[in-house]
Amino acid sequence: NAGVTQTPKFQVLKTGQSMTLQCAQDMNHEYMSWYRQDPGMGLRLIHYSVGAGITDQGEVPNGYNVSRSTTEDFPLRLLSAAPSQTSVYFCASSKYRGGTDTQYFGPGTRLTVL
Amino acid sequence: AQKITQTQPGMFVQEKEAVTLDCTYDTSDQSYGLFWYKQPSSGEMIFLIYQGSYDEQNATEGRYSLNFQKARKSANLVISASQLGDSAMYFCAMRGEDTGGFKTIFGAGTRLFVKA
Repeated sequence: NAGVTQTPKFQVLKTGQSMTLQCAQDMNHEYMSWYRQDPGMGLRLIHYSVGAGITDQGEVPNGYNVSRSTTEDFPLRLLSAAPSQTSVYFCASSKYRGGTDTQYFGPGTRLTVL
Repeated sequence: AQKITQTQPGMFVQEKEAVTLDCTYDTSDQSYGLFWYKQPSSGEMIFLIYQGSYDEQNATEGRYSLNFQKARKSANLVISASQLGDSAMYFCAMRGEDTGGFKTIFGAGTRLFVKA
C-alpha cells in the first residue's frame, strides 16, 4: 500500500492563480480530509468527506473547493490564490469517521503564494 | 467546544533519558479518541499512539506511552530512552463525537530537542 499520496510536493503561485492539490489513498478509507498547517497554529481542518459524493466544510473553508467523485481521490482546489493561503497542506484519511479511528496523513504540499 | 492545549513550546532532553510532553483537552463528548503525532523536520505527520476515552489502561507503543488521566482531562506523552531521532515536533490531537467524529482538533505542538 502506498497509503496517502499528495502531489505536488512544492508549489509557487501568483496571487489570483488557481490550482488543484491532488490527494489519493489506496486503503479503501471512507473518510478523507484536508488540513492546513501554519506556524504556531497546529493543523486546521479545511474540508472533509465521508464518502464518494459527500463533502462538507471544516474550520477554514473559505477560498477552497473540494469534490469526491471516487473513494480514492479527494482533490483540493484553490479558486483564486491569496498570500494568506501560503501554508503546508495535508491530506488525511481514516477508515471511518469515529472518534476511535486513527487518521493517516500524506506527506504534505508546501504552497507559497506571491 | 473541543480544545487541545500544549503548554510547552519547546523541550530539551538528554539522550537516553525519559521525557514527558504535556497535553490537556476539553470536550463535552463521552466518547473520543486522543492521538499523538510526530512531525520531523522532513515535514510528514507520523502517527505514534492512540488512547480511547473508555480505555481503562494507558496506551503503550514501544518507547511511547500515553499517561491518560480522564478526570484531569490530560493525555501526556511519555517517551522513554530518548534517541537523537526523536528530535521533532509533537502534536496532541483529539477526535470526538461532538461534531459527528468528523473533526480532529490539534494542539499547537511541542518541539522536542534531544541532546547528545
